[in-house]
Amino acid sequence: DQQVKQNSPSLSVQEGRISILNCDYTNSMFDYFLWYKKYPAEGPTFLISISSIKDKNEDGRFTVFLNKSAKHLSLHIVPSQPGDSAVYFCAARDSGNTPLVFGKGTRLSVIA
Amino acid sequence: EPEVTQTPSHQVTQMGQEVILRCVPISNHLYFYWYRQILGQKVEFLVSFYNNEISEKSEIFDDQFSVERPDGSNFTLKIRSTKLEDSAMYFCASSERDRSVYTFGSGTRLTVV
Repeated sequence: DQQVKQNSPSLSVQEGRISILNCDYTNSMFDYFLWYKKYPAEGPTFLISISSIKDKNEDGRFTVFLNKSAKHLSLHIVPSQPGDSAVYFCAARDSGNTPLVFGKGTRLSVIA
Repeated sequence: EPEVTQTPSHQVTQMGQEVILRCVPISNHLYFYWYRQILGQKVEFLVSFYNNEISEKSEIFDDQFSVERPDGSNFTLKIRSTKLEDSAMYFCASSERDRSVYTFGSGTRLTVV
């Protein structure tokens, strides 16, 4: 059962444009959501998070939006840079002491 | 910046052999995790460890798997008798507190032949 779904395996964006990565979840108990970025031969690194009490969190070029009614979140990167090319994982957890649940990831390619 | 260190980076083993994957979590972190990613698949949870015992494990983490924190700094994952389907990238992670951000290591690519 895929509780966290990233339906786009890949995305290509031109440098300077906006990248929008999407994530859907099925577990209504999830209340904390994170995005991780992964370069080849490295582990996932934390990028940005959002709690279910918010609908937006911004950190520099990265903004995460949460739509609880639709069980959907998205990561916006503006402007996109070639160094943003990586695999982006959406992850979620509930209010209990449960581990993070990850999606399959979306490979972002930013073309110069 | 503190790091989670995993060794080896790549391990090739014959089917049926035992392997031990090693991790050194960040020193002040109290919660430890193993995840794995089969090529092209999602990052899957295996086990979490806190206060010297397993706090949660997934269905994947069967009797062939075990974890240990032998000396207060290392955190190991042992697979007793490897199968071809155990081939994956194994990631160790740690967190300072419950519900805080996980820091991941670079992973060990396990290839079972």
